[in-house]
Amino acid sequence: QVQLQESGPGLVKPSETLSLTCTVSGGSVSSYYWSWIRQPPGKGLEWIGCIHSSGSTNSNPSLKSRVTMAMDTSKNQFFLKLTSVTAADTAIYYCARYDRDISKYILDFWGQGTLLTVAS
Amino acid sequence: DIQLTQFPSSVSASVGDRVTITCRASQGLHNWLAWFRQKPGKAPELLIYAAFTLQSGVPSRFSGSASETDFTLTINSLQPEDFATYFCQQSHTFPLTFGGGTRVEIK
Repeated sequence: QVQLQESGPGLVKPSETLSLTCTVSGGSVSSYYWSWIRQPPGKGLEWIGCIHSSGSTNSNPSLKSRVTMAMDTSKNQFFLKLTSVTAADTAIYYCARYDRDISKYILDFWGQGTLLTVAS
Repeated sequence: DIQLTQFPSSVSASVGDRVTITCRASQGLHNWLAWFRQKPGKAPELLIYAAFTLQSGVPSRFSGSASETDFTLTINSLQPEDFATYFCQQSHTFPLTFGGGTRVEIK
């Protein structure tokens, strides 16, 4: 069973850079896409972007200029950086596997989420 | 971006009831639509993908249907663990997008 675990600082100051790590166990990060999704407390879900083990990335245009994603296959981890954060970036951040098999395009395994608060 | 409009935004029901939730897409999705259940304080769980296909391990009381740009999630015989929020999500085009959610509450 694939498991994902997000880790991050919990609190970031406005204008700084948010950095999150997702550690995958029970499977390899190779040959899949891996996504970041966020959810402001009490609100809906917003897809941030995804990265493939080949290095290919896709990001939400609403955040694209501020988003950087990377992967370390040797550690079975992938990463998110979001620059110039504001209070609007306060959210629970989830990582998830995005299986883009020919017969399905699914976010099938999710981490438990980590709350990131932007405040001074 | 593809917009997904979910309705109703909330519904009150009792254990054993049938509940239907609709998700309307702003354009055709070729059935690349999924449904998730999110319990309070938890990550979303995939229920159905490709509009109709039940994810492995998901109870058969959940079913999905589609008609052009309208997609429906039906929960037959609502169980206590089904009182939660449900989201639709499209995988037809990047960026992936989600519906606004439907909260299923206890009557």
